[in-house]
Amino acid sequence: EPEVTQTPSHQVTQMGQEVILRCVPISNHLYFYWYRQILGQKVEFLVSFYNNEISEKSEIFDDQFSVERPDGSNFTLKIRSTKLEDSAMYFCASSGSGANTGELFFGEGSRLTVL
Amino acid sequence: KNEVEQSPQNLTAQEGEFITINCSYSVGISALHWLQQHPGGGIVSLFMLSSGKKKHGRLIATINIQEKHSSLHITASHPRDSAVYICATQGGSEKLVFGKGMKLTVNP
Repeated sequence: EPEVTQTPSHQVTQMGQEVILRCVPISNHLYFYWYRQILGQKVEFLVSFYNNEISEKSEIFDDQFSVERPDGSNFTLKIRSTKLEDSAMYFCASSGSGANTGELFFGEGSRLTVL
Repeated sequence: KNEVEQSPQNLTAQEGEFITINCSYSVGISALHWLQQHPGGGIVSLFMLSSGKKKHGRLIATINIQEKHSSLHITASHPRDSAVYICATQGGSEKLVFGKGMKLTVNP
């Protein structure tokens, strides 16, 4: 069964360091997303990406965050200068035809710990 | 702003019981998703609904658009159903708004 894969599964970093979280969406999918879940809280939308550009972003997704699809298979989330409050589980998701017409597939998540 | 509320927040059941998880939301939506989050944190999509009812195995999801309410039913529950069940709504964009989730524990 096709799946979304994320790496690393867990990353520990020092405050102020740059972090790149990687995702390989399902190969024929066109819509890509990043969500995050701070421990004990709701899952929150960060950004959606379609046709090689950001289609929507939340207020959380400020200038410290960026996304890229560098090679047609990977979808990355970069946090330029991490803060303590960036500690969370980050989920990548993809969809073939958009989340309101097709199923969403989530990765297992990347746990980021900022010290 | 859409608010998504789930009830109950926690539920403990005995194996074999019929379980209902409720979700209500505050504004009109284009779709509602039911998701399952495993203890390790991974999220699996169970259903995407825009109207009516869907069934997959022992799981049934319904939605009432007029009442802004959806339910997820689990028939003949099993300990492997133990997980957090999350309702998430979608408006006119790709963004999902998530509920807090309901932690289900099914005891043998």
